[in-house]
Amino acid sequence: DTQMTQSPSSVSASVGDSVTITCRASQVINNLLAWYQQKPGKAPNLLIYTASSLQSGVPSRFSGSGSGTDFTLTITNLQPEDFATYYCQQANSFPWEFGQGTKVEMK
Amino acid sequence: EVQLVESGGGLVQPGGSLRLSCAASEFSVNSHYMNWVRQAPGKGLEWVSVLYRGGNTYYAGSVKGRFTISRDISKNTLYLQMNSLRPEDTATYYCARGGYNNGSPTYGMDVWGQGTAVTVSS
Repeated sequence: DTQMTQSPSSVSASVGDSVTITCRASQVINNLLAWYQQKPGKAPNLLIYTASSLQSGVPSRFSGSGSGTDFTLTITNLQPEDFATYYCQQANSFPWEFGQGTKVEMK
Repeated sequence: EVQLVESGGGLVQPGGSLRLSCAASEFSVNSHYMNWVRQAPGKGLEWVSVLYRGGNTYYAGSVKGRFTISRDISKNTLYLQMNSLRPEDTATYYCARGGYNNGSPTYGMDVWGQGTAVTVSS
């Protein structure tokens, strides 16, 4: 199985800050990595697919990068609605796996 | 509006069975790969199963042999039959559509239902 490790598990930031979240796969996943945002009591929302492609309707302050086993999600100019939990997910090999999540909290 | 609506959750005793449904609107469940994802209370997301357009299915190791994903095209509905339920299956279950871009799968889940809660307890 491909394990996904996110870091940090939580981060405190202020409106206007930039935040970077890292996701490391235990093996090469051929850029088949997605990022999701989830707010309390709500379903996840797809932000990024194939490591760096922005999902339609998602603000351009969200960006993804990386290759091989190491990937990042960057949020620039953090907005109040961005305080949430973020998950990465690999779809290269079964079973598909999510990272454990990163909570972006208000400083 | 493209939408997924889950139903069928509830309280069930250990060893029992439950069938979850996910009704799709404004798209066909057989035109996309369709997933079930669950989230235990206060925990992270766990992928459960996928049903591809061609009919191939895959499962997480924790549910393999106990859960079955299927679809009814006439009802435009995805299902998850859950047997031999365990307390650790307690979670909110989401169905989610696999995305496509220019005819190619994106391997991201682009439409999600609101979730249905399953509690396994005596």
